[in-house]
Amino acid sequence: AAGVIQSPRHLIKEKRETATLKCYPIPRHDTVYWYQQGPGQDPQFLISFYEKMQSDKGSIPDRFSAQQFSDYHSELNMSSLELGDSALYFCASSPGTSGGGEQFFGPGTRLTVL
Amino acid sequence: AQKITQTQPGMFVQEKEAVTLDCTYDTSDPSYGLFWYKQPSSGEMIFLIYQGSYDQQNATEGRYSLNFQKARKSANLVISASQLGDSAMYFCAMRPRDDKIIFGKGTRLHILP
Repeated sequence: AAGVIQSPRHLIKEKRETATLKCYPIPRHDTVYWYQQGPGQDPQFLISFYEKMQSDKGSIPDRFSAQQFSDYHSELNMSSLELGDSALYFCASSPGTSGGGEQFFGPGTRLTVL
Repeated sequence: AQKITQTQPGMFVQEKEAVTLDCTYDTSDPSYGLFWYKQPSSGEMIFLIYQGSYDQQNATEGRYSLNFQKARKSANLVISASQLGDSAMYFCAMRPRDDKIIFGKGTRLHILP
């Protein structure tokens, strides 16, 4: 079965650079979620999209922006990178926004900021 | 406030023994889902088991079962006949009505040979 695809899997950037993370949800899933997991931490919700519109927003810095495109893939854009942005970034997808159901996680993008 | 509490930061268990990972939750939403995820050192988030708030029976998936006690707001994960490959970080998580998943701090499980 098709799973959530994230690219790149690993990314190394310098401070103050920009990074773009991509997420391709499971086919026919119209909702995408982004999570950030710092070293030794639990994942924290950043932002979500349903039918290409932002549906919820968590603790996402103003330096970050995201969007969902017509083919439902999503991109997380991160500017003016800081050392503290080094983390594992997960994308998850689900069909619809009905509360309670499973979200399917991608393998994550490991971002290292030097 | 929506919250997941995992009180066991780390556990050591002998191979082939059963293990219970504790999880309590807090939410005022009547409809929610409870999950357990396994995260090995490679970092991927592996879905293990799901329990809906209205499900009458405890969820089971192979060696995994979820001991759901709604009145106590607990959702403990039971792993039967533990294996060396079960060594990993385990996260309990909740998805209330507003969709984002809230994770606990995790329990690091070590299976001893």
